[in-house]
Amino acid sequence: EVQLVESGGDLVQPGGSLRLSCAASGFTFSSYAMSWVRQAPGKGLEWVSITSGSGGMRYYADSVKGRFTISRDNSKKVVWLQMNGLRVDDTAIYYCARGEVVAAPLDSWGQGTLVAVS
Amino acid sequence: QSVLTQPPSASGTPGQTVTISCSGGSSNVGSESVNWYQQTPGTAPKLIIYGDDQRPSGVPHRFSGSKSGTSASLAISGLQSEDEADYYCSAWDDSLKGFVFGTGTRVTVL
Repeated sequence: EVQLVESGGDLVQPGGSLRLSCAASGFTFSSYAMSWVRQAPGKGLEWVSITSGSGGMRYYADSVKGRFTISRDNSKKVVWLQMNGLRVDDTAIYYCARGEVVAAPLDSWGQGTLVAVS
Repeated sequence: QSVLTQPPSASGTPGQTVTISCSGGSSNVGSESVNWYQQTPGTAPKLIIYGDDQRPSGVPHRFSGSKSGTSASLAISGLQSEDEADYYCSAWDDSLKGFVFGTGTRVTVL
């Protein structure tokens, strides 16, 4: 069974940093691209970042470019999102999700972790 | 940012058909596959349509997708109470080099 478990969400002050983790199991992790998608309270979905299966390709939404960094360790089956320079409008539930390749549909999602910036 | 436009709400009685539109542009819907996600309150999104009109295993046949040009649609036929949820369209954007999501549509079963 495919499982994605996010952790690391917390309450942080504006300008602070946080690192989110997403632990994967139940599939060949290195064969899948991994994305982070967020959802502010009461709002819609916003894609944040994606890394290819090898980690060689990384893309970011304009709203987080230069502040957030995505990375992965295929031996540990983990993908991270390092968030620096956090702003109030970064407050959201952050989901990790997998796709067969970059640009492929996100076919499995984690349960999300809450980041509150205040 | 939401680059794809959806109506904020849609509704129907049990058994009816509800259709949700998704309008995009040439760099996303017009050139890439459209996917649809269903999200019920307090849960993670779930992929229900991919590749414009394909259903993942386990998704009921009453969900169907279509696309024409820069617009896509999701139809829910034989509406059931369990279909009450938020629905989002999404596509890869070649210009932005990232996924774009629709503004979301809340479906209510009357």
